Amino acid sequence: DADVTQTPRNRITKTGKRIMLECSQTKGHDRMYWYRQDPGLGLRLIYYSFDVKDINKGEISDGYSVSRQAQAKFSLSLESAIPNQTALYFCATSKPGQGYYNEQFFGPGTRLTVL
Amino acid sequence: DQQVKQNSPSLSVQEGRISILNCDYTNSMFDYFLWYKKYPAEGPTFLISISSIKDKNEDGRFTVFLNKSAKHLSLHIVPSQPGDSAVYFCAASGRLTGGGNKLTFGTGTQLKVEL
Repeated sequence: DADVTQTPRNRITKTGKRIMLECSQTKGHDRMYWYRQDPGLGLRLIYYSFDVKDINKGEISDGYSVSRQAQAKFSLSLESAIPNQTALYFCATSKPGQGYYNEQFFGPGTRLTVL
Repeated sequence: DQQVKQNSPSLSVQEGRISILNCDYTNSMFDYFLWYKKYPAEGPTFLISISSIKDKNEDGRFTVFLNKSAKHLSLHIVPSQPGDSAVYFCAASGRLTGGGNKLTFGTGTQLKVEL
């Protein structure tokens, strides 16, 4: 079944470490997104990419970077992790829909803890 | 600045009764509204949507109502079933410069359907 996968599913790291979260999809979608979820704050957009050569900042991109290695792969990096980046991270994909609306399909999430 | 708000963090309903989840928004430029459902340890999954030019959309047990003048939407689940117990996120779609759209999520409402 076409899917969105994320690795790792759980990660505990220390302040100052570099971390990479990976996302792969078999849906054949061009558009990929990274969100973080914090208690009481819902999901917030970190970065998005509409194709391999297109990278855009979302509402909370500071402290993060991304790489779109291929249509199917979109990685999120924390160059120097800090405790307030402890959160649940979701990758999502979509294809262009009717007009400007597109349904987004989410991966299972990565729980990151920065000590 | 929370553009999409879900003021009830939790809701408890008896099996067979109606569940009503509410969502308010502030940005009149949103053109689609969506509801996502999330189970523990899984990513959000799309449930139902409504265009800003409609006031109602129905899909089986799920109906979404949109009141544009009040900037309010609601999700009705009738009849509620124990398997509906999950966190429900309201999301609003807005257009991005250069094409495509971005989802802005509410903070979620935990629904518990009791036997």
